[in-house]
Amino acid sequence: EAGVVQSPRYKIIEKKQPVAFWCNPISGHNTLYWYLQNLGQGPELLIRYENEEAVDDSQLPKDRFSAERLKGVDSTLKIQPAELGDSAVYLCASSLVAGGSRDEQFFGPGTRLTVL
Amino acid sequence: GNSVTQMEGPVTLSEEAFLTINCTYTATGYPSLFWYVQYPGEGLQLLLKATKADDKGSNKGFEATYRKETTSFHLEKGSVQVSDSAVYFCARSNFGNEKLTFGTGTRLTIIP
Repeated sequence: EAGVVQSPRYKIIEKKQPVAFWCNPISGHNTLYWYLQNLGQGPELLIRYENEEAVDDSQLPKDRFSAERLKGVDSTLKIQPAELGDSAVYLCASSLVAGGSRDEQFFGPGTRLTVL
Repeated sequence: GNSVTQMEGPVTLSEEAFLTINCTYTATGYPSLFWYVQYPGEGLQLLLKATKADDKGSNKGFEATYRKETTSFHLEKGSVQVSDSAVYFCARSNFGNEKLTFGTGTRLTIIP
């Protein structure tokens, strides 16, 4: 069974440029998460989707970050314009929520962003 | 708010040594507790979990017990191997697997 797929794995851009990250969750997982992991820190949630609905985006900096999950399957996270402080690893995770119970979150390998 | 405090690293041990990585959590609500591991070049993987007080999670020789009285979830292993070298994250969530709140991670290096 394929795990969570993320692309690209690495991205280097200059500040003020836009960038986008893509995530394909495990087949059948209805909940998708985007986390930000700064160097030497644990991941922090940016946004959580249940199907196509963003149910928790309270930590997403909405002035420059946006996300979508139009068909409730794969998702894109965008930054426009990127700033130096956005250099980090962007992690995607997915889980299955069914009948009130929630399965574990499965993480992708992440996209390492470097902003110059 | 919800937080997790984790033993700072890096931790370096010899093979077959006993391992403890401390983790404490804020006692808001009735959290589920987790240990995730990140091997070099790989994504985060769930190592073990516990969903209520006195539960013990175990996997690959690692154990952690959900201690409500001390708000702790310390990770232990009786005899570490070189292959255990990785970064270990303690995490909590409310209501099952909603938002995970992670500690800062502990880098573990095992030398032969």
